[in-house]
Amino acid sequence: DAGITQSPRYKITETGRQVTLMCHQTWSHSYMFWYRQDLGHGLRLIYYSAAADITDKGEVPDGYVVSRSKTENFPLTLESATRSQTSVYFCASGAGGGAQETQYFGPGTRLLVL
Amino acid sequence: EDQVTQSPEALRLQEGESSSLNCSYTVSGLRGLFWYRQDPGKGPEFLFTLYSAGEEKEKERLKATLTKKESFLHITAPKPEDSATYLCAVGGQTGANNLFFGTGTRLTVIP
Repeated sequence: DAGITQSPRYKITETGRQVTLMCHQTWSHSYMFWYRQDLGHGLRLIYYSAAADITDKGEVPDGYVVSRSKTENFPLTLESATRSQTSVYFCASGAGGGAQETQYFGPGTRLLVL
Repeated sequence: EDQVTQSPEALRLQEGESSSLNCSYTVSGLRGLFWYRQDPGKGPEFLFTLYSAGEEKEKERLKATLTKKESFLHITAPKPEDSATYLCAVGGQTGANNLFFGTGTRLTVIP
């Protein structure tokens, strides 16, 4: 089925380890986004990508790295995980990237950093 | 600075008891206001996009309206399956691809 998937759905890791969260979409959307959701905060944008090989920072990019070699995939890497990165991570995609364009979200990855 | 405030934080309704959720926003040049529904353990599900003051959109028991300062999500005769957290987000001129999200209203509909 067409849609947006994330893996893993749940992940426990330790401080200092590298973690990669995967995102895959089948809509051929140009834009893809990574958000984190924390209690007391709205969803906050980490990074986004306008197309393959084009990425840019969002509101809270520190400690994260992204890449986009294929249109359908947009992995998010925590190079050295910290406890403050414990959160729920959502990937989203959209046909356009302007602030008037609808974004469609994946099911999320719940990450716990010990 | 672009900002979104949703109220109330939580709302409990009896089945059939209509009510409204509020989303107040400050944004430099509104480009779009979005409503999403989020069920526990799931990603936000798109409901509506509104672009200009006076615009209204409906879907089943939900109706979204927009003014220059706020948006309302009206829920008519809610059912237990409408229980969820409803998120509001705005896109403005600053941060071309940023959507600013509120913290949501957690709605519980009691049978």
